[in-house]
Amino acid sequence: ETGVTQTPRHLVMGMTNKKSLKCEQHLGHNAMYWYKQSAKKPLELMFVYSLEERVENNSVPSRFSPECPNSSHLFLHLHTLQPEDSALYLCASSQEETGASEQYFGPGTRLTVT
Amino acid sequence: AQSVTQPDIHITVSEGASLELRCNYSYGATPYLFWYVQSPGQGLQLLLKYFSGDTLVQGIKGFEAEFKRSQSSFNLRKPSVHWSDAAEYFCAVGALPTASKIIFGSGTRLSIRP
Repeated sequence: ETGVTQTPRHLVMGMTNKKSLKCEQHLGHNAMYWYKQSAKKPLELMFVYSLEERVENNSVPSRFSPECPNSSHLFLHLHTLQPEDSALYLCASSQEETGASEQYFGPGTRLTVT
Repeated sequence: AQSVTQPDIHITVSEGASLELRCNYSYGATPYLFWYVQSPGQGLQLLLKYFSGDTLVQGIKGFEAEFKRSQSSFNLRKPSVHWSDAAEYFCAVGALPTASKIIFGSGTRLSIRP
């Protein structure tokens, strides 16, 4: 048990749908992250939040919209996705938002866009 | 900017045999180095980390890694693998100040031969 939960674990959506991924961390951490993991590609950092403020947005298309209402919860709102957006979306948290902080990952949401 | 390379995409070893997974990094200063493991359908779990001090680092599940500055390497080792070690292993390098500086390698998939 890593202390980071994600729901749903699996999601199939059409390109015109709107859905949201949810992440919750029970570790008292100050930073939270969204990553995209595609087959045969390195982990891609999408968004970084520190103390509920977005501090990084790595050129992610606007069809992905993050929300961090408090330091324990992180959402990723999805709309008008493309088939190439199918991937495993991982949420992570760390005590502080630094390059020295070990990150704790959730189990991921397997997203399939049809 | 830092970078990390895992030269081996896939390795197969026999159960009970020793294991070494390679990781090479590029960074001008002393980096923060991590090894994570990802079992099928799961998120990443931290195995060990190196920040400074003793260059031989002990981690969970019987793993260890050695930082070699002269070779820019941080190889992961285990003296005797178990079937449950079959997973994907990721090396990561971080740098201050922000978490966006953490770069993950492409991963090495480990298979265990009975």
